[in-house]
Amino acid sequence: KNQVEQSPQSLIILEGKNCTLQCNYTVSPFSNLRWYKQDTGRGPVSLTIMTFSENTKSNGRYTATLDADTKQSSLHITASQLSDSASYICVVRFKAAGNKLTFGGGTRVLVKP
Amino acid sequence: GAVVSQHPSRVICKSGTSVKIECRSLDFQATTMFWYRQFPKKSLMLMATSNEGSKATYEQGVEKDKFLINHASLTLSTLTVTSAHPEDSSFYICSARVPTDTGAFFGQGTRLTVV
Repeated sequence: KNQVEQSPQSLIILEGKNCTLQCNYTVSPFSNLRWYKQDTGRGPVSLTIMTFSENTKSNGRYTATLDADTKQSSLHITASQLSDSASYICVVRFKAAGNKLTFGGGTRVLVKP
Repeated sequence: GAVVSQHPSRVICKSGTSVKIECRSLDFQATTMFWYRQFPKKSLMLMATSNEGSKATYEQGVEKDKFLINHASLTLSTLTVTSAHPEDSSFYICSARVPTDTGAFFGQGTRLTVV
């Protein structure tokens, strides 16, 4: 079964600090891997998207990396802001799963002043 | 980027009534839309795949007579929660595949509360 696991489940960081979120996926070729930000009570918003052959993708203070050998992706948030408080979800579109997306459990980030 | 609009954002209904949630793709045509349910502090759970002009495909355990999906046009899919009960209270989110994009864009979500 294709799975996506994220860690940590939650973290608290001080404003201005950096943090890194992890996403591990199981053995399967995939079409793309995407990181989403979901504010409380809102739908997910795409931050980055990477194909199997890409190693890194940046979007402002968000940088996603992909290591296909270890089947890991990370999302690095630089100089965190209070508005970064949200859930961050790793989503993988596995080729074997057709059009369906496989969601990680998400990491809840709380940025404190 | 592509925009998916979901309406309403919040709805409160009485137990036994039906509620319709709309999902629109504003600047592209979406042949496929997806409906998700999200419980507090949990990730999204796929309920069904909505295909324009054909019947929706429901995930295992999702009652198709309970959650009616209609995808009558390339820009609109609707989810109707029929005979709603308090346990149907949840956050419902739709998404649409963009033909020129390999990912999916999500609506703003609908908070349904059944009292």
